[in-house]
Amino acid sequence: AQTVTQSQPEMSVQEAETVTLSCTYDTSESDYYLFWYKQPPSRQMILVIRQEAYKQQNATENRFSVNFQKAAKSFSLKISDSQLGDAAMYFCAYRSLRDDKIIFGKGTRLHILP
Amino acid sequence: IAGITQAPTSQILAAGRRMTLRCTQDMRHNAMYWYRQDLGLGLRLIHYSNTAGTTGKGEVPDGYSVSRANTDDFPLTLASAVPSQTSVYFCASSTGFGTRDEQFFGPGTRLTVL
Repeated sequence: AQTVTQSQPEMSVQEAETVTLSCTYDTSESDYYLFWYKQPPSRQMILVIRQEAYKQQNATENRFSVNFQKAAKSFSLKISDSQLGDAAMYFCAYRSLRDDKIIFGKGTRLHILP
Repeated sequence: IAGITQAPTSQILAAGRRMTLRCTQDMRHNAMYWYRQDLGLGLRLIHYSNTAGTTGKGEVPDGYSVSRANTDDFPLTLASAVPSQTSVYFCASSTGFGTRDEQFFGPGTRLTVL
């Protein structure tokens, strides 16, 4: 069975600085998708970025980028120029193409210090 | 309606009572999911449905049942609620099996079982 591990329950970063959230996963599949979701205090789950496993190029969305290391099964999220609105719980998620299930990590709570 | 709606927003329930959480999407998505979110445990899949008329068990299905009579609705029923089912419940949907699309989430239902 696939597993997703986020080893950092909480992190803090100074406003305008860069922070990296780590995520590792375990799978025997060769093709899959990976996602980072953001959950602000409003409780709404918001997609931040996605990565297809067959693509070697790391995904980027404005200030958000990933470092996808397929062999190491690592999928970290980098947030550049951190803003107060980035404060939230961040979840890493793995999507199997075989059975369509999505497995979430336990989350990392990110605090932005003004 | 735009996206996914859930009802009720929150509910306090006596143990032993029956409760149905409602979920409706208007995006014509084939796949729908129910998750529970508990502090320190992230989101855990309860049940899912790849298409109308079919359902499957997720990671924590015991004590819950679902039905998928049509594309839009995916209710979650607690036949006899217990305090350990106190949680925030999220409904989600995606275009379908094996697609690259992310899941879209509803706003969640906070359920307290006393």
